[in-house]
Amino acid sequence: KAGVTQTPRYLIKTRGQQVTLSCSPISGHRSVSWYQQTPGQGLQFLFEYFSETQRNKGNFPGRFSGRQFSNSRSEMNVSTLELGDSALYLCASSPAQPRRESYEQYFGPGTRLTVT
Amino acid sequence: AQSVTQLGSHVSVSEGALVLLRCNYSSSVPPYLFWYVQYPNQGLQLLLKYTTGATLVKGINGFEAEFKKSETSFHLTKPSAHMSDAAEYFCAVSDVRGGYQKVTFGTGTKLQVIP
Repeated sequence: KAGVTQTPRYLIKTRGQQVTLSCSPISGHRSVSWYQQTPGQGLQFLFEYFSETQRNKGNFPGRFSGRQFSNSRSEMNVSTLELGDSALYLCASSPAQPRRESYEQYFGPGTRLTVT
Repeated sequence: AQSVTQLGSHVSVSEGALVLLRCNYSSSVPPYLFWYVQYPNQGLQLLLKYTTGATLVKGINGFEAEFKKSETSFHLTKPSAHMSDAAEYFCAVSDVRGGYQKVTFGTGTKLQVIP
């Protein structure tokens, strides 16, 4: 089975611009989560989607948004980029349905976003 | 609210020595616990997980962890470190919140293996 794929792998944007990142989960996985990873804050949960519905949301401003399509692929969007948005954005998919059993996640390689 | 504390942001061991990475958690319900590893420029990879049952969990690459409820700990160990073990390790706890599972990660421990 192919793993979680994320595109693009690297991105450089200017402050004030917007960006869209894409994630394709492992085939059959319906849950997709997004995380922001920075040296200072570590891994922070952004949001989780299951069957096209946002199930959980972390403490991020409304500039961060996401969506999931019927084929479980997911995108996240960041509008009005700030320098502090520079980070590695990780997508993870899971075979587990919410409210059931273990929640092991399978991570993609991430998208390295640099905001200048 | 659940939380995870990883003691030591950096740990150095000699090749062949015991690896011990510490993780303590707090959770209001019986938790699911995980250890993930992240190699440079890669995503996280599951090492092992504890759900229910046996408290000593064996994972990939010779790692294992023991769930100790009385100590709220889930420390990761490996008897003999290998150079390829150099990476960052994350402990995570998952429990039900608002009807859905939510995962909280620790801040990570970077393992350096000295030849």
